[in-house]
This record gives sequence, structure tokens and C-alpha cells, in this order.
Amino acid sequence: QVQLVQSGAEVKRPGASVKVSCKASGYIFTSHGITWVRQAPGQGLEWMGWISVFSGDTNYSQKFQGRVTVTTDASTATAYMELRSLKPDDTAVYYCARQGISGFSYFALDYWGQGTLVTVSS
Amino acid sequence: ESVLTQSPGTLSLSPGERGTLSCRASQSVSSSFIAWYQQKPGQAPRLLIYGASNRATGIPDRFSGSGSETEFNLTINRLEPEDYAVYYCQQYGTSPRFTFGPGTKVDVK
Repeated sequence: QVQLVQSGAEVKRPGASVKVSCKASGYIFTSHGITWVRQAPGQGLEWMGWISVFSGDTNYSQKFQGRVTVTTDASTATAYMELRSLKPDDTAVYYCARQGISGFSYFALDYWGQGTLVTVSS
Repeated sequence: ESVLTQSPGTLSLSPGERGTLSCRASQSVSSSFIAWYQQKPGQAPRLLIYGASNRATGIPDRFSGSGSETEFNLTINRLEPEDYAVYYCQQYGTSPRFTFGPGTKVDVK
């Protein structure tokens, strides 16, 4: 079965960086795009960035441009999201999600990781 | 950039009732690009509907999606206790690639 398993919770100081991992299993890793979405406490979903695992092409939210990098390692079927220059309002749960590939499911996110809480505090 | 708004912010329903959640796009969007998700407290979102009206794998048929252009709806028929959650609509684009609405909370009437 398809699974996306994310790394554990992190506590960071303002100004630091965090790198969250997302290990995929149960499908052909290079066939699907991976998206990163975050959710601040009590808030909605915010899209951060996307990567085509096959080509390496990326697309980032303007809000995070220059501060976020999304990468993948096909040899381990793992995606990564690095966020730099952390601020307290980056405190959120960060999710990876798989983009569908068949028909209209291409335009949706069909499997999600369990989420990683990143807390930014001095 | 098209913005999504959802209404109502909170929908209070009793078990067995029917509810309709609305998602409005600021610009016309292909129905192919609209999806709906359910999120329960402490859990990741779950895909319910894609392509505006197609149920994802394993989603019960009491959930249905409809709409076109700028107006999209998610209907929950015969609400079950496990359906109390927050529901988000999402649209796909070129950049940003995915945009989410602010969510509608379905709670107990």
C-alpha cells in the first residue's frame, strides 16, 4: 500500500534551517510529483512547493521563494523540504503529499504523509 | 492568481442530515482542477473528490461533488458521526500549483 512516512518533530531557533524528509513506499517513486503543504496551529492548508520526481522540475510559492528548497533522492525514494531563515511564525505542521497521475487525479493530492511538527522558538 | 473562498465557515448538522459546502473561485477554473479534502483533528488531509465530481478510492457514495466555472459544491448525504471534520477545496494551477480554500468546519448541531 502507498505510504509516505515523514521524519520526526523538530525544534529550531529563529534563523536556523530545518530539513524534513518524506519516505515513499508502495508505488513507483519517479511516477508521481511530490508537494509540500504546511498548516500553522489552528489554521488552514498552505501550499509551499512542488517537485516532479521524474524530471527534478520545481515550482515554489512566491511566499517562500528563496527560502525553501524541495529535493528528492530516487535511490531511497525520499523527498526533502528544507526551509531556511526560520521565524516563529514558521511554526506549523509540514506535510508531504503525492500528486495523482491518472486522469483528473493528476490535479489532486491523493496520499499524504502523517505530518511533521516544526516549532520555531527562542 | 485565482483565490478560493468557502462558505459557510461552520456548518452545524445532525447525524442523518444532508449538508452542502460551497467553494467559490475568483476566476473561472476548469472543473478538472478542483478537489476536496477532509481533515480530522490531528490527522493529515484525505482526498475525497477530484475533478470536481469524482470520488477518490474508498470514499463512500454519500459524498458527492458538483459545479463548474467559479462555483463548486461538496454535498454530504446522510451525515455519519465520522463526517464531522474540516473540509477544504483545492484548485490546481500553473503557479501556484495548488491553492486551498480556507475550509468549512462541519460540527454537531
